[in-house]
Amino acid sequence: DVKVTQSSRYLVKRTGEKVFLECVQDMDHENMFWYRQDPGLGLRLIYFSYDVKMKEKGDIPEGYSVSREKKERFSLILESASTNQTSMYLCASSQSVRKQYFGPGTRLTVT
Amino acid sequence: QQQVKQSPQSLIVQKGGISIINCAYENTAFDYFPWYQQFPGKGPALLIAIRPDVSEKKEGRFTISFNKSAKQFSLHIMDSQPGDSATYFCAPGGGGFKTIFGAGTRLFVKA
Repeated sequence: DVKVTQSSRYLVKRTGEKVFLECVQDMDHENMFWYRQDPGLGLRLIYFSYDVKMKEKGDIPEGYSVSREKKERFSLILESASTNQTSMYLCASSQSVRKQYFGPGTRLTVT
Repeated sequence: QQQVKQSPQSLIVQKGGISIINCAYENTAFDYFPWYQQFPGKGPALLIAIRPDVSEKKEGRFTISFNKSAKQFSLHIMDSQPGDSATYFCAPGGGGFKTIFGAGTRLFVKA
């Protein structure tokens, strides 16, 4: 069965800290995505990657960067965490641009 | 940015009733129209999807109705059950464009 795992379910960080969120998929999918989910706003795309070492900005990339050194792993980096980055972060993977498989999410709180 | 408008924001239905959630989109090039279901503490999971060459698709108690000319599609849940209580997202995409998620509908089915 398809599986997308995220490194942490809950994370609490201080303002200004560098934060790493990791995502691993076991389906050999080409595409991987990072979203943030906020009440009333749905899922907003931060970055996506369609191949190793390739990345594209999504709709809200400011304050974030990503890394994809291996096909199965896609990392989201908050260079200097701020309180407005408190959110649920969801990773997804897909073979096409259509059906996406999501991880369980990481709830990040920045204090 | 392409807009996707999902309604209602929240919905309360009696057990056995019909739940209806609507989604309006702008991009006529989209060719994939899915609904995702998300339970608390989990990532979204694909529930049902339709291509634009058909007007309706049924899978068990779940039906998608698609109106290409109106640029709308809807999710109907027949005989709604308490276990259907979740957040539902429409997420049209494809056709060379990124997926765009709606803001979500919180469904509560009263026992």
